[in-house]
Amino acid sequence: DVVLTQTPPTLSATIGQSVSISCRSSQSLLHSNGNTYLNWLLQRPGQPPQLLIYLVSRLESGVPNRFSGSGSGTDFTLKISGVEAEDLGVYYCVQSTHAPRTFGGGTKLELK
Amino acid sequence: QVQLKESGPGLVQPSQTLSLTCTVSGFSLTSNSVHWVRQPPGKGLEWMGGIWGDGSTDYNSALKSRLSISRDTSKSQVFLKMNSLQTDDTAIYFCGAKSFAYWGQGTLVTVSS
Repeated sequence: DVVLTQTPPTLSATIGQSVSISCRSSQSLLHSNGNTYLNWLLQRPGQPPQLLIYLVSRLESGVPNRFSGSGSGTDFTLKISGVEAEDLGVYYCVQSTHAPRTFGGGTKLELK
Repeated sequence: QVQLKESGPGLVQPSQTLSLTCTVSGFSLTSNSVHWVRQPPGKGLEWMGGIWGDGSTDYNSALKSRLSISRDTSKSQVFLKMNSLQTDDTAIYFCGAKSFAYWGQGTLVTVSS
């Protein structure tokens, strides 16, 4: 199974600060059809996860453009340009290129 | 609009079988996949398995021997059955769809005697 390793496990930030989260895969996530099926989710406390980014860098409808995704192959990054209070929670990467689908371990974003 | 809702027993005894239902609306099960994801208290997300639009299924390797996912397209429902439950199966169980763009609120299942 594909292992997704997220770093850091915890991230402390002030409001307005820009932060990045890394997701590294044990195998390339480039599918034979040319797509890379790597998504980013945010789970706020007590809520189900919310899709932020799909196909590495495509912003889900309604998600603020301070969120951006980048990367290829095995290395991926989620960047938040100017953290807001509503961004606090746990971020997960998830891959759908290889069966079975797998999640990263999560990165908790908290206020400094 | 797209909605998913999980239902099932909140308490299951050890060694028993868990049965959950995910009722969906706003999209067709024959054109979209639905997945089950669980989250033990205070821990991360674990993909359990999914059922695709053509009815095919795929499962987490670690759960495959205990898990079955099926559906009733006429009722827009997807079912999860997992046997031989133990206390470490205590978790919130979510169903999700459309590449995880849509989620139910989740249902807490506690395994305890």
